[in-house]
Amino acid sequence: GDSVTQMEGPVTLSEEAFLTINCTYTATGYPSLFWYVQYPGEGLQLLLKATKADDKGSNKGFEATYRKETTSFHLEKGSVQVSDSAVYFCALSEGGTSYGKLTFGQGTILTVHP
Amino acid sequence: GAGVSQSPRYKVAKRGQDVALRCDPISGHVSLFWYQQALGQGPEFLTYFQNEAQLDKSGLPSDRFFAERPEGSVSTLKIQRTQQEDSAVYLCASSSRGNTEAFFGQGTRLTVV
Repeated sequence: GDSVTQMEGPVTLSEEAFLTINCTYTATGYPSLFWYVQYPGEGLQLLLKATKADDKGSNKGFEATYRKETTSFHLEKGSVQVSDSAVYFCALSEGGTSYGKLTFGQGTILTVHP
Repeated sequence: GAGVSQSPRYKVAKRGQDVALRCDPISGHVSLFWYQQALGQGPEFLTYFQNEAQLDKSGLPSDRFFAERPEGSVSTLKIQRTQQEDSAVYLCASSSRGNTEAFFGQGTRLTVV
């Protein structure tokens, strides 16, 4: 079956540091890939997505590129802020009728200090 | 505008008790999903509705778990004879027709004691 593996956390960074959170996947088909974020006390929110190989998703300074050859979708940000502290989830969907049936990774806790 | 609303936000149940968790999706969203998120883990898919039809229930862990969406809007996830391993956050998500983003509620945290 499908699976998503994220780098283990927690990740602790100083403000303005560079962020990478690794994500690799296993899928039977040709999935769409997502990063979701969960801020403290809030629900899961879509951060960015990519639907085909070599697509780059981007939002709020975060980027991730769909790499079919390495089955990866690593999340990067050049300069993190304290407000980026949250839990980040990599996910995939085989698509079909909706992107809502998702397979998630275990999540990576990011803490950014001033 | 209203997002996905779940109630109650917190539920404590004694082992063996039945519970019902409610999800109000975004108005007009035809697709509705339930997920279970154990502490420190990512959400795991339970079941999927398109309108009132339950199209996929492959993730329901046992026959104690039952979900319904009789009128194609509000959905209820029912857990019978709760056990300690059912303790988790139950998330609901909805999306509009076609391949579109799923919007998540804040979840119901169920603790079975």
